[in-house]
Amino acid sequence: DSGVTQTPKHLITATGQRVTLRCSPRSGDLSVYWYQQSLDQGLQFLIQYYNGEERAKGNILERFSAQQFPDLHSELNLSSLELGDSALYFCASSVLEGGGRETQYFGPGTRLLVL
Amino acid sequence: GENVEQHPSTLSVQEGDSAVIKCTYSDSASNYFPWYKQELGKGPQLIIDIRSNVGEKKDQRIAVTLNKTAKHFSLHITETQPEDSAVYFCAASKGSNDYKLSFGAGTTVTVRA
Repeated sequence: DSGVTQTPKHLITATGQRVTLRCSPRSGDLSVYWYQQSLDQGLQFLIQYYNGEERAKGNILERFSAQQFPDLHSELNLSSLELGDSALYFCASSVLEGGGRETQYFGPGTRLLVL
Repeated sequence: GENVEQHPSTLSVQEGDSAVIKCTYSDSASNYFPWYKQELGKGPQLIIDIRSNVGEKKDQRIAVTLNKTAKHFSLHITETQPEDSAVYFCAASKGSNDYKLSFGAGTTVTVRA
């Protein structure tokens, strides 16, 4: 158990809908990353938040957005869903260690199925 | 951006034999190389990592080697056991305010009893 929690575990919805995925980082971790895992694209970085602020952006669609709240939990919002958005969505949290080192720990993921 | 290539995509080994997975990366600024193991229905689990100031790191049956000149790194699993069967991912990041991970495509390892 990494200490990172994600809800829900599974989500089934229809095209055009909007969903929210939630992530609670490990205690003390200030950074949250979101990754998408699909069969054709593999594991892809979407976005990073650090202590409430957006830190880095990857291949995240404009229909997707995220935020990190004062209690450090994060939500990933996916809107106008398409069939191709069906994937596993992982959250990872990390803490900056000495010497600028950082290690990411992944949650169990949310499996999204868009029908 | 960083491009990480991983080989082989599948690997079948006899229990007790060794398994080797190789990765190459494109960005010479990358300096952190973790390996993750993903079992069915679970998230990636960090199993070992190496940073650019060392060439090799070992943790029991698992070892990772890094060749920064050639921009490649490898995972070695010795004395494989059935519980080593999983998908393994290599990754790379630059560190220094850019910690996002770029992943390889994964290697499905099957250990035959």
